[in-house]
Parts: sequence; C-alpha cells; structure tokens
Amino acid sequence: GAGVSQSPRYKVAKRGQDVALRCDPISGHVSLFWYQQALGQGPEFLTYFQNEAQLDKSGLPSDRFFAERPEGSVSTLKIQRTQQEDSAVYLCASSLLNSFSYNEQFFGPGTRLTVL
Amino acid sequence: RKEVEQDPGPFNVPEGATVAFNCTYSNSASQSFFWYRQDCRKEPKLLMSVYSSGNEDGRFTAQLNRASQYISLLIRDSKLSDSATYLCVVNMGITDKLIFGTGTRLQVFP
Repeated sequence: GAGVSQSPRYKVAKRGQDVALRCDPISGHVSLFWYQQALGQGPEFLTYFQNEAQLDKSGLPSDRFFAERPEGSVSTLKIQRTQQEDSAVYLCASSLLNSFSYNEQFFGPGTRLTVL
Repeated sequence: RKEVEQDPGPFNVPEGATVAFNCTYSNSASQSFFWYRQDCRKEPKLLMSVYSSGNEDGRFTAQLNRASQYISLLIRDSKLSDSATYLCVVNMGITDKLIFGTGTRLQVFP
C-alpha cells in the first residue's frame, strides 16, 4: 500500500521567503509527527498531531514555524521568513494509535530545504 | 548533553566481520528503545525494537541495560548491504515522539 508521501521533495528558498511543506500520512493513521534533520545529525522532533489536534509543539524552534492538520489527514508545515539555519531535511511520520503498545512510526522520504 | 549519545563513526569493516554499536541515554524515565537504519538520502526505517532480555533478528542482536542506560547493537557476518547509518532511538511513551541519537555510520567493504 501507499506509504507516507511528502512534497515537494526539494525546495530552494531565498532568505526571508515563506515556504510550505506538505505531508500525506498513511490512510487511517491517527498520529502525525514532524521532525527536522540537519546534515550529519539525527532527526529532531518538531511537533505532533493526534487527528486534527496539535498535542505537542515543544520542538518548534521559533514562532516562524507553524504546523496544521485541519481535517486530521494531510498536514502542512509552514516556515515564515526562512533563515539559512532552517536548511535541513524535514521528515514527516505517521502511526496508528494503540494504547496498549508502541506504535511504529513510518517515515516519508522528506523534503530537503535549502535556504540561500 | 544530548539525550541520546552515539559514536558517529565511521566504522569501516570487511565483509563477514562482526561489529558492535553502543549508545547511552540520559533520561531514566525512557520507556521504549529502538534501532533505526537510515540509508544515504533516505528516510529512517525501523530495524528492531530493543528489550531488556535481549533480542535477536537474524544476524542482528540488540541489548538494553536499564541500570547503565545503555543500548547496543551487534551485527554478525556483515554484508555490503549493511552499509548505512544506524540510529539509536528512545521514547518516553507519552506522546510517542522519538528521540534520536546522531547515528553511527557503518561502511562494509569487500
């Protein structure tokens, strides 16, 4: 079946430009996560949705970062006034919600953002 | 101090070798533990979960020591296709967000 998809796969932005990154989770997956992976580092948590509710946004690095999932399916991560330090791969992951055991997160291919 | 620490490597080993990776985590309340594999320019994929009793999946063996807050991964009979970055991952079991180490790069040569 279809996995997590993300678009665009690559984005080049000029410093100060706004960008929007899209994530299509696996159908039926309740939980959705955004991570940021800088070059040579492991992914770092940004934010978490359960259906349309954003339950944790503690990882968002500044108020320039905003995420939404209005209908509990597709999610968009928006970065306003991009800076060079925002250059990274942005990974989206989705999982089922099962109270009894760990729910494996399935990752999309990521969006590679380069800010010039 | 990072919450999950790993030696970044690279580990360069010949085919057929046995290689071990270690990782430590700082938060004793961590509940679940994993090894993920990430190929160059690809997304992370779950390799295996890690349990206190130790668990094995073919050539891969993972071990957790809660008292020392230490996780290990052993790869036996290395294959060229094992070349990748291995990410040590923990979660707190509350929101299921994953906390990743920086990854250890493995290069298996012929």
